Amino acid sequence: EDQVTQSPEALRLQEGESSSLNCSYTVSGLRGLFWYRQDPGKGPEFLFTLYSAGEEKEKERLKATLTKKESFLHITAPKPEDSATYLCAVQAGYGGATNKLIFGTGTLLAVQP
Amino acid sequence: DVKVTQSSRYLVKRTGEKVFLECVQDMDHENMFWYRQDPGLGLRLIYFSYDVKMKEKGDIPEGYSVSREKKERFSLILESASTNQTSMYLCASSLIVPSGSSYEQYFGPGTRLTVT
Repeated sequence: EDQVTQSPEALRLQEGESSSLNCSYTVSGLRGLFWYRQDPGKGPEFLFTLYSAGEEKEKERLKATLTKKESFLHITAPKPEDSATYLCAVQAGYGGATNKLIFGTGTLLAVQP
Repeated sequence: DVKVTQSSRYLVKRTGEKVFLECVQDMDHENMFWYRQDPGLGLRLIYFSYDVKMKEKGDIPEGYSVSREKKERFSLILESASTNQTSMYLCASSLIVPSGSSYEQYFGPGTRLTVT
């Protein structure tokens, strides 16, 4: 069964304290891995897509990397405004074009000033 | 920018009522999706549609139906609302992609539904 697991469930950092969030996946035929940011009471906001092992994407203080079994979201020198829930999702399977995603349960990040 | 809008941010309904949640996207996306999000369970797919008048069941379709009469609009219907349908409902859209490719989904702001 296809599965996505995120860790830790929650992470508290001091402003400027760099860290990484993990997304491990077990799927048949990865087509894409997605990172989203979700603020309380709002819909997820798209951040990155990674397609193949070794790929990296960056946006401001965020950097996403991908291996054959997991993805990391590295947060460098975080600020309080980076506080949010970060969701990981994968699209898998060898056929079809409907773009169904499998989501992890997210990591709740709190950055304290 | 892709824009996905949902008809209500907050909704309170009584048990047994018929509830309509509407979603509109402005990017001419073929695919549209309805999810519910609950603490500890993540996002779960209720229904999706890949074309007008086409629909497919997701992982938790029981108690729900959908309608897609126009490409930009996708409605979720709770035929007879129950308290266990209290949740955050999220609509999303994406382009349709060739087999073997992938494309991100864009989400609306969500509707917090409370059934009493």
